[in-house]
Amino acid sequence: DAKTTQPPSMDCAEGRAANLPCNHSTISGNEYVYWYRQIHSQGPQYIIHGLKNNETNEMASLIITEDRKSSTLILPHATLRDTAVYYCIVRVAGANSGYALNFGKGTSLLVTP
Amino acid sequence: EAQVTQNPRYLITVTGKKLTVTCSQNMNHEYMSWYRQDPGLGLRQIYYSMNVEVTDKGDVPEGYKVSRKEKRNFPLILESPSPNQTSLYFCASSFRVLGELFFGEGSRLTVL
Repeated sequence: DAKTTQPPSMDCAEGRAANLPCNHSTISGNEYVYWYRQIHSQGPQYIIHGLKNNETNEMASLIITEDRKSSTLILPHATLRDTAVYYCIVRVAGANSGYALNFGKGTSLLVTP
Repeated sequence: EAQVTQNPRYLITVTGKKLTVTCSQNMNHEYMSWYRQDPGLGLRQIYYSMNVEVTDKGDVPEGYKVSRKEKRNFPLILESPSPNQTSLYFCASSFRVLGELFFGEGSRLTVL
């Protein structure tokens, strides 16, 4: 699986958009980009995923660059409850892969009042 | 409500005393897996199951067993727990491999 690089931490003011970057320069054509978040020590929560087109759901938007080497997760109006560790994961299902998600260290997002 | 339920949520035990952490999902998911989370090491997959009676090792299977006799249940068995298995454990399930993975709330295990 392609390796991802995320900043270790970010701050965002409540009500503003939080833009979380992720670099995955070695991504291959059949690999998806997933975003999960983990609030304190709760179970990780799925946010969104995409292959090459931008995606949007009720939680967030995912912007993937045309060359697919990087992506940005956008939380349009961050709230204090969005304070969490955000994981960018690149993954393809394969026969020998175990379908495991490599969570890495993620970005710790702090939303401040 | 769609959910993945783990029990116990917290457990302190002693070395060598067999224990089972149960995991149950009510979403009719075929795929289930177990992860452990340790400081500095992130989440690592222990075992996974593609369907009933189909299980396979993840990245860190040593010291663990699993079974999948029913679709909804995927227990994690520690036959002889050791202190290095002290960790936060998560069970997860999904309908299909590339879909959304639902996680349980976690089971914090301490082995003395």
